[in-house]
Amino acid sequence: KQEVTQIPAALSVPEGENLVLNCSFTDSAIYNLQWFRQDPGKGLTSLLLIQSSQREQTSGRLNASLDKSSGRSTLYIAASQPGDSATYLCAVPLTGANNLFFGTGTRLTVIP
Amino acid sequence: EAEVAQSPRYKITEKSQAVAFWCDPISGHATLYWYRQILGQGPELLVQFQDESVVDDSQLPKDRFSAERLKGVDSTLKIQPAELGDSAMYLCASSLGGFSTEAFFGQGTRLTVV
Repeated sequence: KQEVTQIPAALSVPEGENLVLNCSFTDSAIYNLQWFRQDPGKGLTSLLLIQSSQREQTSGRLNASLDKSSGRSTLYIAASQPGDSATYLCAVPLTGANNLFFGTGTRLTVIP
Repeated sequence: EAEVAQSPRYKITEKSQAVAFWCDPISGHATLYWYRQILGQGPELLVQFQDESVVDDSQLPKDRFSAERLKGVDSTLKIQPAELGDSAMYLCASSLGGFSTEAFFGQGTRLTVV
């Protein structure tokens, strides 16, 4: 069974800082890894999808990297803004399937 | 922009009552998922459909939960009878299908059982 861990559980930074969120998974035979954002009481918004053949993916101020062999992914957020405050979740599919296993998320607070 | 639609957004029900949630996936998405998210945790899969067929319902409490996706488009998740422990966010997601496709989520239904 795939297990996904996200560290730290919570993070508070001043506006403008660059930051890194971490995700680790136990089964490295994955097809892809997906990062999501979740605002309180809302659904999940897909941020980035990294295919297993890729090492990184970028969207605006976000950059996600993937190291399958070590079972790790990082989400880098540049020049953080108060609007980035949310919970960030990473998810990977179980080998041979395409349903997602989620970490418990990192709750980010960006202080103005 | 195409979205996954869910209704209702919020539902309060008394224990032992029946409750139903509806999901309309993005047009053309063959795969539909229902997840449950308890506060402070990541979502966990309840059931997965490929078109109208159930692919995985191993985590669905079948004594009280049922799900259907008639005609392979929209889907309904039902709980009968509801229990206090069912209070959670119920999330629907869809994807084109296959092993490398992106999943898109709806806004969820927040269920409170009293």
